[in-house]
Amino acid sequence: GENVEQHPSTLSVQEGDSAVIKCTYSDSASNYFPWYKQELGKGPQLIIDIRSNVGEKKDQRIAVTLNKTAKHFSLHITETQPEDSAVYFCAASKGGGGADGLTFGKGTHLIIQP
Amino acid sequence: KAGVTQTPRYLIKTRGQQVTLSCSPISGHRSVSWYQQTPGQGLQFLFEYFSETQRNKGNFPGRFSGRQFSNSRSEMNVSTLELGDSALYLCASRGAGTSYNEQFFGPGTRLTVL
Repeated sequence: GENVEQHPSTLSVQEGDSAVIKCTYSDSASNYFPWYKQELGKGPQLIIDIRSNVGEKKDQRIAVTLNKTAKHFSLHITETQPEDSAVYFCAASKGGGGADGLTFGKGTHLIIQP
Repeated sequence: KAGVTQTPRYLIKTRGQQVTLSCSPISGHRSVSWYQQTPGQGLQFLFEYFSETQRNKGNFPGRFSGRQFSNSRSEMNVSTLELGDSALYLCASRGAGTSYNEQFFGPGTRLTVL
């Protein structure tokens, strides 16, 4: 089955700096790659996603890039703010109407230092 | 539009008991997935239901089961509880059309097995 590796497990950056989280996946049939943010005591919140027919997607300070050949995708957060502190998860699935479940990475604890 | 709701939010059970968790998806969503989140294993896919039918299942023992009702609400049952079943159980719902991949999570049910 699919395996998703996520690095780093903890990332500390100064407020205003950029943060990058990287994930690799194993199943070349995976075609949907979402990113979730989870705050303490809450469920994961979808922040951005990308499909395999797109190389990059941006939404304000957040961007995701996908390299299908290398089977890796990354989350980029620019101009980090204190409210960006949370655990971030990448995931992969084959998507589509077949309802394949999401396979998650182990998570990255992002700490924004004031 | 109301988000995904899960009840109860917290549960304490003892080994050998069984438990039923409930999930109400976003209005109009017909797909409900269940995930288990633990510090050691991370987020793991349990199963997905669509129109009252289980469409996909993760790698969990038969003690974990679920069902979906005609109003799309779903329940998850765990029988003969073990200490290792202590976890946050998350439910996610999914829409249709162009957003069919996007899964939206509820706040979870925190299950503690003593």
